[in-house]
Amino acid sequence: QVRLQESGPGLVKPSETLSLTCSVSGDSISSGGYYWGWIRQPPGKGLEWIGSIYYRGTTYSNFSLKSRVTISVDAPKNQFSLKLTSVTAADTAVYYCATPGTTTVGTRFFQHWGQGTPVTVSS
Amino acid sequence: QSALTQPASVSGSPGQSITISCSGTSSDVGGYNYVSWYQQHPDKAPRLLIYDVSKRPAGVSNRFSGTKSGNTASLTISGLQAEDEADYYCCSFATSITLVLGGGTKVTVL
Repeated sequence: QVRLQESGPGLVKPSETLSLTCSVSGDSISSGGYYWGWIRQPPGKGLEWIGSIYYRGTTYSNFSLKSRVTISVDAPKNQFSLKLTSVTAADTAVYYCATPGTTTVGTRFFQHWGQGTPVTVSS
Repeated sequence: QSALTQPASVSGSPGQSITISCSGTSSDVGGYNYVSWYQQHPDKAPRLLIYDVSKRPAGVSNRFSGTKSGNTASLTISGLQAEDEADYYCCSFATSITLVLGGGTKVTVL
């Protein structure tokens, strides 16, 4: 079974870039044929899809974040990453990485989730 | 890309059935049979309950079922149990290959 673990700084200054990595075990990013995604949850609020990347590199992003989001795959390290530029306090949230863990047509659902990593944007 | 609409809260007594609605548009819920539902307990990662409107992943109780009619999807929890008290989110594939989520519904077991 695929397992995911997020890592990255827990504190980011306003206007800087938030960078997170999701390490994958139990399956190979480059051979599984899956989509890999990032979802976040501000304190006390609901879930928000940030974006997804297909194992071959095609990315899809939430329209509201599209200009600030970069998602990439590092196949040799079996990791995928999120970069969110020009952050503000509104980007404070728990960030989750996730995958359906099965081949799907389009990024449709997420069955396997990381435990989540909290990120605070503050000076 | 507006969020899907869910009731803020739903409650029921143990053993009862409850239904959570998820209202969207023809660009998301109504346009694709790709609605999923997630359960989230406090300080835990979400758990997939339903995908592709009505399919259950292995290990998910058959007390959870999903349906869709037009632009509205629904999650029904039968035989409500104390452990079902949690937040529930619907999610739909949408136009331009994106995903849109609902605002979440807090389920309380009375």
